Amino acid sequence: DAGVTQSPTHLIKTRGQQVTLRCSPKSGHDTVSWYQQALGQGPQFIFQYYEEEERQRGNFPDRFSGHQFPNYSSELNVNALLLGDSALYLCASSLPTGVRTGELFFGEGSRLTVL
Amino acid sequence: LAKTTQPISMDSYEGQEVNITCSHNNIATNDYITWYQQFPSQGPRFIIQGYKTKVTNEVASLFIPADRKSSTLSLPRVSLSDTAVYYCLVGDPRGGGGYNKLIFGAGTRLAVHP
Repeated sequence: DAGVTQSPTHLIKTRGQQVTLRCSPKSGHDTVSWYQQALGQGPQFIFQYYEEEERQRGNFPDRFSGHQFPNYSSELNVNALLLGDSALYLCASSLPTGVRTGELFFGEGSRLTVL
Repeated sequence: LAKTTQPISMDSYEGQEVNITCSHNNIATNDYITWYQQFPSQGPRFIIQGYKTKVTNEVASLFIPADRKSSTLSLPRVSLSDTAVYYCLVGDPRGGGGYNKLIFGAGTRLAVHP
């Protein structure tokens, strides 16, 4: 059973460009959350998708957007990249409503470097 | 969401028991306490979760006093491979409307020495 998979693992962009990160949740999971983790800091919640809709959002600008597909996979898009967007982007999936335990299953992350 | 406070860092030696305490004074009635472990350049990994008293699994124990305003993660006989960042999170796993969102703090950096 594959866990949470993310792609790409590493990428380099320049300021002003746009980036798309992808996530496939663990089998049986229908909710996907995205986190940004800057070096030396804890993960910061970006947003959460369930039933193909953004359900909750953290304190991130509109440059950060996402999408969830019918197969529960998800994308994170960041427009007009800034140097400060350089970070490890983590995707986490969790069980469907009704059986939630609060346990999030994280992928290995996508390391984004903005030059 | 309840705010948590943990020590920034801790040091220990192989074979010792490590206790990491987390304060969460404004924990809500429906909130659970969850701990995650993170190694460099990897995603966090669930360790243990509890609501009250004591919870034990094959990796750790979680002690929660009656007032639930704090909790202690106990790692028995640590090894070098336990060197990691440990995060304490407090929230309702069912979430508002069924959607759970857990907020990570800065975590505790545990260094285990030979």
